[in-house]
Amino acid sequence: GNSVTQMEGPVTLSEEAFLTINCTYTATGYPSLFWYVQYPGEGLQLLLKATKADDKGSNKGFEATYRKETTSFHLEKGSVQVSDSAVYFCALMGGKLIFGQGTELSVKP
Amino acid sequence: DTAVSQTPKYLVTQMGNDKSIKCEQNLGHDTMYWYKQDSKKFLKIMFSYNNKELIINETVPNRFSPKSPDKAHLNLHINSLELGDSAVYFCASSQGAGSSYEQYFGPGTRLTVT
Repeated sequence: GNSVTQMEGPVTLSEEAFLTINCTYTATGYPSLFWYVQYPGEGLQLLLKATKADDKGSNKGFEATYRKETTSFHLEKGSVQVSDSAVYFCALMGGKLIFGQGTELSVKP
Repeated sequence: DTAVSQTPKYLVTQMGNDKSIKCEQNLGHDTMYWYKQDSKKFLKIMFSYNNKELIINETVPNRFSPKSPDKAHLNLHINSLELGDSAVYFCASSQGAGSSYEQYFGPGTRLTVT
């Protein structure tokens, strides 16, 4: 069946550091891929999405590229801020939304 | 102007009780969902309704029964609550059930069973 695997957290970075959160997936067909973010005590918000191979999703300085050949959708940001501290979820949609286990990011000043 | 709202935000109850969580969306969406987030933050879909019809019913105990009185509302009733039901329950909605539709999530209901 379909599944999503994310790198384990927590990830701790200093402000202005480069961020990568790895995400790989297993799926039949061509699912849409998403990154959601959950700030402390809140629900999930869509951060970015890509609906086909080689699409790049981007938002708020974050970006991820749908790589069919490596079945990956890694999240990157060039310079993180303290306000980016949250839990990040990679997800695929193929009939239903399937989430990775989440990666907690903590950014220190 | 809340998009997806849930009530209550917190729910503390004893084992064996019956409780309900309500969800409403004002986005005009056709599809609504319930998700469960466990203590390790793992999220899993429980149910989905499209135009008031059940379209996804994951392996969830029969004690959980969703009800959609209209397209804007999806409630979750839980009978005979157990300790293992303690979790955060999220409602979500989307414009349609297809794979490219973004899902909008509510703020969650933290259920604690003692």
